[in-house]
Amino acid sequence: KQEVTQIPAALSVPEGENLVLNCSFTDSAIYNLQWFRQDPGKGLTSLLLIQSSQREQTSGRLNASLDKSSGRSTLYIAASQPGDSATYLCAVSNREGGSEKLVFGKGTKLTVNP
Amino acid sequence: EAQVTQNPRYLITVTGKKLTVTCSQNMNHEYMSWYRQDPGLGLRQIYYSMNVEVTDKGDVPEGYKVSRKEKRNFPLILESPSPNQTSLYFCASSLLGALAVYNEQFFGPGTRLTVL
Repeated sequence: KQEVTQIPAALSVPEGENLVLNCSFTDSAIYNLQWFRQDPGKGLTSLLLIQSSQREQTSGRLNASLDKSSGRSTLYIAASQPGDSATYLCAVSNREGGSEKLVFGKGTKLTVNP
Repeated sequence: EAQVTQNPRYLITVTGKKLTVTCSQNMNHEYMSWYRQDPGLGLRQIYYSMNVEVTDKGDVPEGYKVSRKEKRNFPLILESPSPNQTSLYFCASSLLGALAVYNEQFFGPGTRLTVL
């Protein structure tokens, strides 16, 4: 059964710092990996999606990498801002027992201090 | 505006009183799903639907029902709610199924349900 782990569970950094969030998964037979942002009491917003054949995706100050064989992904945030404060979730899609599943990690809560 | 809507956003009810949480998307997406989010457990999939009249169980389907009679709507039904179903519920949709190479998921704003 696919398991997704995100480390650290919480991270606090000063404004302007570059940072890396980690995501690992146990079954490398994924179809894609997606990073989301969730603000308190709100829904999830898709940040980046990496197809299984890709190594990385970039959007503005965000860069996500994927190493499928080792079961790892990282989300790099450059020049962090207080507005980046949120919980970041990664999710992988794979087939499990004939079903199509999207499995989420528990998230990393990021606080960027002014 | 492309979006996934859920209603109600907040609901307090009592044990055993049937309720329905509606979900609608205006993007002509084929794939829709329901999740619940609980502290320490993260997001867990309840049910998903590949298309009209096609539904399948996720990881935690017990106590829930769904139907997909129209492409845009995917209601979540709790026939006899219990306190352990108190949670934050999210509906999501994507153009294609979860295994599609590109299947960006769009989430609704969430429904906070309390069962007393």
